[in-house]
Amino acid sequence: DGGITQSPKYLFRKEGQNVTLSCEQNLNHDAMYWYRQDPGQGLRLIYYSQIVNDFQKGDIAEGYSVSREKKESFPLTVTSAQKNPTAFYLCASSIGARGGDTQYFGPGTRLTVL
Amino acid sequence: EDQVTQSPEALRLQEGESSSLNCSYTVSGLRGLFWYRQDPGKGPEFLFTLYSAGEEKEKERLKATLTKKESFLHITAPKPEDSATYLCAVQGAQKLVFGQGTRLTINP
Repeated sequence: DGGITQSPKYLFRKEGQNVTLSCEQNLNHDAMYWYRQDPGQGLRLIYYSQIVNDFQKGDIAEGYSVSREKKESFPLTVTSAQKNPTAFYLCASSIGARGGDTQYFGPGTRLTVL
Repeated sequence: EDQVTQSPEALRLQEGESSSLNCSYTVSGLRGLFWYRQDPGKGPEFLFTLYSAGEEKEKERLKATLTKKESFLHITAPKPEDSATYLCAVQGAQKLVFGQGTRLTINP
């Protein structure tokens, strides 16, 4: 059963801590993405990766870092430098990164800073 | 800069009352327009991709259409389970750009 999994579903972070959000896909997709969703705003792109060992910054990359060591996995680290990290984080993947390739989303991780 | 505007922000209908959601866009070289459904606390679920003006796609009670400036998501005889936020996104030469969504509520 192919799909995208994200863990954990809920995550609580104390100020000053780094936390890592997991994203795994078994769709054999080359491209993977991280988005942030805030109430009343559209999804905003944090980072994306078109191929293993390569990734690019999106519109709001400051305070975040990623790695792409395996095709199936694209973890996102929210660092202490991110000033307002409380949000709903969504991972997506597409077969390629060409324009027009449909992106499929995971179930999301809700991060709350205490 | 690519932009997407969805209207209305929220729409409340009675069960069986058909209506349409609007997605207006500006993009340099449209590569695709996408519709997603999102339930509270969940990730967006893919509905349709449209590639060129005049194209239409249907799925159950939903039908998506595309012109050079906007897309409509028509919902026919909706049921309470169609209640969700519907997201529109466009892709031009670069990244996918999302609208803010239309929150649809269907009352029984």
